[in-house]
Amino acid sequence: NAGVTQTPKFQVLKTGQSMTLQCAQDMNHEYMSWYRQDPGMGLRLIHYSVGAGITDQGEVPNGYNVSRSTTEDFPLRLLSAAPSQTSVYFCASSYSRTAAYGYTFGSGTRLTVV
Amino acid sequence: KQEVTQIPAALSVPEGENLVLNCSFTDSAIYNLQWFRQDPGKGLTSLLLIQSSQREQTSGRLNASLDKSSGRSTLYIAASQPGDSATYLCAVGDYKLSFGAGTTVTVRA
Repeated sequence: NAGVTQTPKFQVLKTGQSMTLQCAQDMNHEYMSWYRQDPGMGLRLIHYSVGAGITDQGEVPNGYNVSRSTTEDFPLRLLSAAPSQTSVYFCASSYSRTAAYGYTFGSGTRLTVV
Repeated sequence: KQEVTQIPAALSVPEGENLVLNCSFTDSAIYNLQWFRQDPGKGLTSLLLIQSSQREQTSGRLNASLDKSSGRSTLYIAASQPGDSATYLCAVGDYKLSFGAGTTVTVRA
């Protein structure tokens, strides 16, 4: 089925470890983004991409890196995990700049940093 | 910076009652507004997308209105059912979204 696939679904890290959250879409969407969701708060934008090779920072980029070598993939890297990065992470994609056809969200990655 | 507020934070109603969820935003220069549903521990399901040139969208028992000039949107759910229990999120933007914190709805049987 077409959509946004995130892996892993769950992950526990120790403080200081690094890891990559994977995100892939098969809809040929140019626009992709990463959000984090914390209890009692809405989703907040971490990084986004407007096409292969083009990325930029969102509202809460510190501690995260991204790259976009292909249209399909947009991985999120945690450089040195901290307990404050315990959260649920969502990847999303859209077809157009104005998102006139809406968004597609992945099912999320629940990350715990101990 | 766009600020999105959803009131109330939580709502409990008996089955059959109509639901009214509110969303307000500070910057009226938006491309679209979208309502999502999120079940506990799950991802986001898109409910309705209203483009900036539109005033409302309808899907089944759901109706969402948009008033850009006042920075408000309202989601109406008619004849609520226990299956409507979830958190409803409002988001505005273009390919980047600003989200409200959500309204958690409980429909009592």
